[in-house]
Amino acid sequence: DTAVSQTPKYLVTQMGNDKSIKCEQNLGHDTMYWYKQDSKKFLKIMFSYNNKELIINETVPNRFSPKSPDKAHLNLHINSLELGDSAVYFCASSQEGGTGVETQYFGPGTRLLVL
Amino acid sequence: TQLLEQSPQFLSIQEGENLTVYCNSSSVFSSLQWYRQEPGEGPVLLVTVVTGGEVKKLKRLTFQFGDARKDSSLHITAAQTGDTGLYLCAGARSNYKLTFGKGTLLTVNP
Repeated sequence: DTAVSQTPKYLVTQMGNDKSIKCEQNLGHDTMYWYKQDSKKFLKIMFSYNNKELIINETVPNRFSPKSPDKAHLNLHINSLELGDSAVYFCASSQEGGTGVETQYFGPGTRLLVL
Repeated sequence: TQLLEQSPQFLSIQEGENLTVYCNSSSVFSSLQWYRQEPGEGPVLLVTVVTGGEVKKLKRLTFQFGDARKDSSLHITAAQTGDTGLYLCAGARSNYKLTFGKGTLLTVNP
């Protein structure tokens, strides 16, 4: 009965490779998000999708491309991985978005290490 | 630009002590949310405060939203080892964006 799930949990790869992270929510939420948490635990929004439409693209390099095939899924593809991409990536979802009071439910995170 | 300043960044106390974590901003938010994150997991919402001056209690945790809706505090009474974790404040606006503070890493020692 996992609410927001992400795969894989750990991802170790070489610089220059392309990788994808998948996210699924079974809460029936309309809005999904990707966050990046750096080594100092700072959590920053990357993307937000509402009903499969891109709402927020927070000046993320275009090597990062989110894709939402349906409301329950938001995947993140990263091209030409760089050392600085090493971080924990969190997916989240909320019932609605843009109200300023919505609760976001976070997945367990994907720990990406680029060597 | 760091819109939300959270302090202290690290806090190590003994079980039974009280503590307060602060979250300050120069901007107004629609709501201020507090999350707790344990190692290897995602953040989990503790509380959302919406109205200026609002105080919410969750067992030994007391959350306050400033009158001007720019700052908030989290007070823990008689801390327990189970309170150990990373506490994050986040400001929300009606633009799908949560802006997080840098977090307070709390360690409660037995």
